[in-house]
Amino acid sequence: GAVVSQHPSRVICKSGTSVKIECRSLDFQATTMFWYRQFPKQSLMLMATSNEGSKATYEQGVEKDKFLINHASLTLSTLTVTSAHPEDSSFYICSARDRRAADTQYFGPGTRLTVL
Amino acid sequence: GENVEQHPSTLSVQEGDSAVIKCTYSDSASNYFPWYKQELGKGPQLIIDIRSNVGEKKDQRIAVTLNKTAKHFSLHITETQPEDSAVYFCAASEGAGNQFYFGTGTSLTVIP
Repeated sequence: GAVVSQHPSRVICKSGTSVKIECRSLDFQATTMFWYRQFPKQSLMLMATSNEGSKATYEQGVEKDKFLINHASLTLSTLTVTSAHPEDSSFYICSARDRRAADTQYFGPGTRLTVL
Repeated sequence: GENVEQHPSTLSVQEGDSAVIKCTYSDSASNYFPWYKQELGKGPQLIIDIRSNVGEKKDQRIAVTLNKTAKHFSLHITETQPEDSAVYFCAASEGAGNQFYFGTGTSLTVIP
């Protein structure tokens, strides 16, 4: 149980395009999902917290107009990187909190974004 | 806010030996402490967690200890195997609904 999927696993795009990443909780309902960014050999950096049916809460320094987050259902959250630039290249990971075990987060496999 | 420190940053052990990774936290309100294992190119996987109402938890070769007074918690892996090689992250949280504060990670290498 407690499986979180992400799609796509890898994406390569041209500078200026937008990329959407999906995060799904497959076997549980997630009232809260989190989006992280991870640079090589570094820890996870929280970008935003996403609650189902409400606006996401962004961490300081994260541009909400660049990283659009939608959490339309209890099993799906999406992150859209708009007008991507090479400096947006990174490993993006989502996590989901099971509403039955509200203090635990389960992570997706991550999405490797490369912007040319 | 919470500050989590993790040591060591790298750790090499011989297969069969034990590995210990330590984390300290600063916020006494933190009451949930998970440990994650991350393999290269993959997302973190929860391997064990502990809540502040207990001092120790064990799951086969993995154990976690918590000292609330000193604000530190440790991951213990016994009888290490090459497949234990990965990066391990500790985290602290105030529990339900609150964000995680992660340590900087420990790269564990188990030498066959």
